[in-house]
This record gives sequence, C-alpha cells and structure tokens, in this order.
Amino acid sequence: KQEVTQIPAALSVPEGENLVLNCSFTDSAIYNLQWFRQDPGKGLTSLLLIQSSQREQTSGRLNASLDKSSGRSTLYIAASQPGDSATYLCAPMGGNKLVFGAGTILRVKS
Amino acid sequence: GAVVSQHPSWVICKSGTSVKIECRSLDFQATTMFWYRQFPKQSLMLMATSNEGSKATYEQGVEKDKFLINHASLTLSTLTVTSAHPEDSSFYICSATNVYEQYFGPGTRLTVT
Repeated sequence: KQEVTQIPAALSVPEGENLVLNCSFTDSAIYNLQWFRQDPGKGLTSLLLIQSSQREQTSGRLNASLDKSSGRSTLYIAASQPGDSATYLCAPMGGNKLVFGAGTILRVKS
Repeated sequence: GAVVSQHPSWVICKSGTSVKIECRSLDFQATTMFWYRQFPKQSLMLMATSNEGSKATYEQGVEKDKFLINHASLTLSTLTVTSAHPEDSSFYICSATNVYEQYFGPGTRLTVT
C-alpha cells in the first residue's frame, strides 16, 4: 500500500525566499507524480505533473524533481510571494489511482 | 485544460435525508471518475473509482450502500449520500481522468445538521 509523507507539515517564510517542499513515497512503481495547490475551502489546482521517466518539470517559478528509485520528489518555489500561501499536496499515481500526502501548509508573509 | 464541474458547490441537509452530488467532465469524455472525501485539516482520501457503465469499486472501509455512485455516461458521475448523518459532513471532490492525468472538480461542501 502506497504511503506518502510530506515534510514540513507547515512552513512560514518572508516574501522573496526560495523554498523547498519535500515528498517521499514508499512504492516506487508509479506512473507519474503530481503536485497540487489547494486554497482553504477550495478544490485542487494542478501545478506540475512529472512522468515516471522524467527527472523534473518546470512552470514559471515552480520546479519539481522526481527520483523514483529513492521514492522522493521535491517542489522548489523561487522568490515566494504572499499569493503562494496555500496547502501543497503531492500525489504519486500507481495504476490509475492517486495517493495524497497530508500536505504542506505554506504561509508567505509580506 | 480539461474542466470538471461539480454541483452543488455546497449543501446543507437534515440528518436522515439523502443528498446527490453531480460531477461532470465538460470538454472531454471520462471513462473513469474518482470520488474523494476530505475532512477538515486532513488530506484527500479516495472513496471509490467509478467506471462508465459498470459498478463502482469502493475503497476499504467505505460503505457502498451508504455512498451510491452512478456513472451513467462518459461525462457524468453522481454520488448519493443516503440517510446522511452529521459525521458525513465533509468536503467531497470528484476527478475525471483521460488516462494520463486526473482533473479535479471544485468540490462540494456537505453539512448535515
């Protein structure tokens, strides 16, 4: 059974900092891995999807890496802004199912 | 990108009544849809996988007679919470897949009084 751990559980940083969110998973037999953002009381916004054959994906200030063999993924956010404040969820896909981590709650202070 | 809608976005119902939530893929056909539940300050937990034209597959611990899922067409899946109780109050989110990626709806907030 896939288990996903996200560290840290919460993070508070001043605006402008670069930061790294970590995700680890126990079953490396994954098809892909997605990072999502969730604002309070809202649904999910897909940020990045990394195929199992890829090492990283970039979108704007976001960069996600994947090391499937070691069961790790990181989300790098450059030059953080208050609008980045949200919960970030990591979800590897095995078969056709996503398994979600508990998330990292990010607060960027202005 | 692909769009998935849910209706209603929020609903309040009395204990013992049933509530139906709709999930639609607006611009693609989804052979598979998923239903998730999220309690406050917790992550998403998969409830069931819904395949068009066949019975849903429920995750362990999810009561199939309480959470009825119907996937009647390639663009519509419904979740009916039967005889709702306050402990069923939660945020219900659906997703639809085009095989390679899951696209999520905006969620439905259910409050049972």
